Amino acid sequence: SAVISQKPSRDICQRGTSLTIQCQVDSQVTMMFWYRQQPGQSLTLIATANQGSEATYESGFVIDKFPISRPNLTFSTLTVSNMSPEDSSIYLCSVEAVYGYTFGSGTRLTVV
Amino acid sequence: GQQLNQSPQSMFIQEGEDVSMNCTSSSIFNTWLWYKQDPGEGPVLLIALYKAGELTSNGRLTAQFGITRKDSFLNISASIPSDVGIYFCAGLRGGSGGSNYKLTFGKGTLLTVNP
Repeated sequence: SAVISQKPSRDICQRGTSLTIQCQVDSQVTMMFWYRQQPGQSLTLIATANQGSEATYESGFVIDKFPISRPNLTFSTLTVSNMSPEDSSIYLCSVEAVYGYTFGSGTRLTVV
Repeated sequence: GQQLNQSPQSMFIQEGEDVSMNCTSSSIFNTWLWYKQDPGEGPVLLIALYKAGELTSNGRLTAQFGITRKDSFLNISASIPSDVGIYFCAGLRGGSGGSNYKLTFGKGTLLTVNP
């Protein structure tokens, strides 16, 4: 199964700033997915990132707030822009694996 | 977005007891997945189910894909302290179509095991 390296694992950021989260996969994958997990909640899909095209965002998420890059088939970044305390969450990337979907270990973001 | 109905929301059990949790949906899924999430980690896949009626085991874990394709359950037998965590079900429609590759998650079951 694919192995995902996600960083940073955690960060504390000032409101109004931006944080870029990186996701590296050990194999080439067509689609990469970015999720948000708010405290005590389930996972919510932010967007799907395909190499060579713009990411597809889910309802309630916009590119200006969560710009995504997908420069190649093994790497993607998610930026959380102009952060507010409401953005404090765990952000996870995921890829389709042989058996189900594999997740990175997540980035725990706290905005103060 | 749409979520699966997962129950119970939380469980407190004694070590050695069996555990059962389930997910239901108003719509059909073609794949059911069960994940466990430990604190500070991403979800880890426990069991994947691909066919209606399928019953699959992974050690002390057993999961079934409901015959209607609208539900699934997960059983944990003889629980141990390291079973503590949050368990999520997830459904996948599959096939062609814009949204069919996206996972839909349940709200999770928080399991506490008292030694």
